[in-house]
Amino acid sequence: ELKVEQNPLFLSMQEGKNYTIYCNYSTTSDRLYWYRQDPGKSLESLFVLLSNGAVKQEGRLMASLDTKARLSTLHITAAVHDLSATYFCAVDTYNNNDMRFGAGTRLTVKP
Amino acid sequence: DAGITQSPRYKITETGRQVTLMCHQTWSHSYMFWYRQDLGHGLRLIYYSAAADITDKGEVPDGYVVSRSKTENFPLTLESATRSQTSVYFCASSPNRGSSYEQYFGPGTRLTVT
Repeated sequence: ELKVEQNPLFLSMQEGKNYTIYCNYSTTSDRLYWYRQDPGKSLESLFVLLSNGAVKQEGRLMASLDTKARLSTLHITAAVHDLSATYFCAVDTYNNNDMRFGAGTRLTVKP
Repeated sequence: DAGITQSPRYKITETGRQVTLMCHQTWSHSYMFWYRQDLGHGLRLIYYSAAADITDKGEVPDGYVVSRSKTENFPLTLESATRSQTSVYFCASSPNRGSSYEQYFGPGTRLTVT
């Protein structure tokens, strides 16, 4: 059974600081997603990572994928208040017909 | 308007009643998905559909029924609602599952079962 673990689950950081959110999964994946969710809102796609070593960047967020370690990271550079949200990773193993989300990381960026 | 919509946005129902949540997308995406979101669990896949008349179970399908007679619609029915089905339900669509396409999520339906 596919399991997806995110850590930390809660993250409070100062503006301007850097931090990394980790997403571990238990079986071979076909693709890995990162989503953002603002309170009371729907999910917004951030990144789709397909292959080992994939790295994608958008603004202050950078995601990477290590399929051998079964690990994806979401790195936040010089955090700003607007990044406050909950971030989810999700793993799709469509060949095994399974897709699971992590529990989410609630990020709060304080001035 | 183009996009993915869900109705109703809020619903209160009683235990044992049947309730249907609607999902409609205008992109002609092949894949559609239903998730529930509960605190501490992230999102869990209930059912998905690869095309009209093709549906498959996800992680938590018990107590739910889906159908997809038309590409653009993917209704989710709770045949006999229970309090444990109180949750926020999200519908999503994607052009394809076996590629780099992300899923596009609807605004969600907050369901309360009393």
